[in-house]
Amino acid sequence: DGGITQSPKYLFRKEGQNVTLSCEQNLNHDAMYWYRQDPGQGLRLIYYSQIVNDFQKGDIAEGYSVSREKKESFPLTVTSAQKNPTAFYLCASSIPGGVYEQYFGPGTRLTVT
Amino acid sequence: AQSVSQHNHHVILSEAASLELGCNYSYGGTVNLFWYVQYPGQHLQLLLKYFSGDPLVKGIKGFEAEFIKSKFSFNLRKPSVQWSDTAEYFCAVIHSSGAGSYQLTFGKGTKLSVIP
Repeated sequence: DGGITQSPKYLFRKEGQNVTLSCEQNLNHDAMYWYRQDPGQGLRLIYYSQIVNDFQKGDIAEGYSVSREKKESFPLTVTSAQKNPTAFYLCASSIPGGVYEQYFGPGTRLTVT
Repeated sequence: AQSVSQHNHHVILSEAASLELGCNYSYGGTVNLFWYVQYPGQHLQLLLKYFSGDPLVKGIKGFEAEFIKSKFSFNLRKPSVQWSDTAEYFCAVIHSSGAGSYQLTFGKGTKLSVIP
């Protein structure tokens, strides 16, 4: 089945540690996205990539980093510089352009203590 | 900056009641509009979308939405809700972020609770 895989489903880290969230898609989409979802805040865009080896900051990129070395993979690193990292993180992919819907993964819930 | 407003944070309805969830956006140019739904424990999934043409669009599970350009609105409706419609609903607008890139801006979401 085609889709987006995010792992792990739950992740726990100590404050001050960097952590990398995985996102893989087999939909053959060029564009991939990372969102953060907090209660009552909706989804906010962290980073997006329209093509391999290229990515842009979204609305809340501070404290996060990404890479896009392969079309099917778009890992997100939550660094120790992110002041409030505990959240639900969603990865999405789409065909690039303004007329295509985004497909979402199941999400990773990160808890930092 | 473009923004999307959803008027209700939490809506509670009895089964068979009619539903209307409000969504307004701030962008004045050409817009493409979406409603996504997140059922408890499930992926965020597309409910319906509007790109052009008939401003009344129909989606899955009996949902529909009407695009009213003059009011910058894209309200979601369903004539008769079921318990299984309990979920969080997000309105979203896609817009250009320059150089051929597009971003999806989401509203803050409306939680719908349907009481049997």
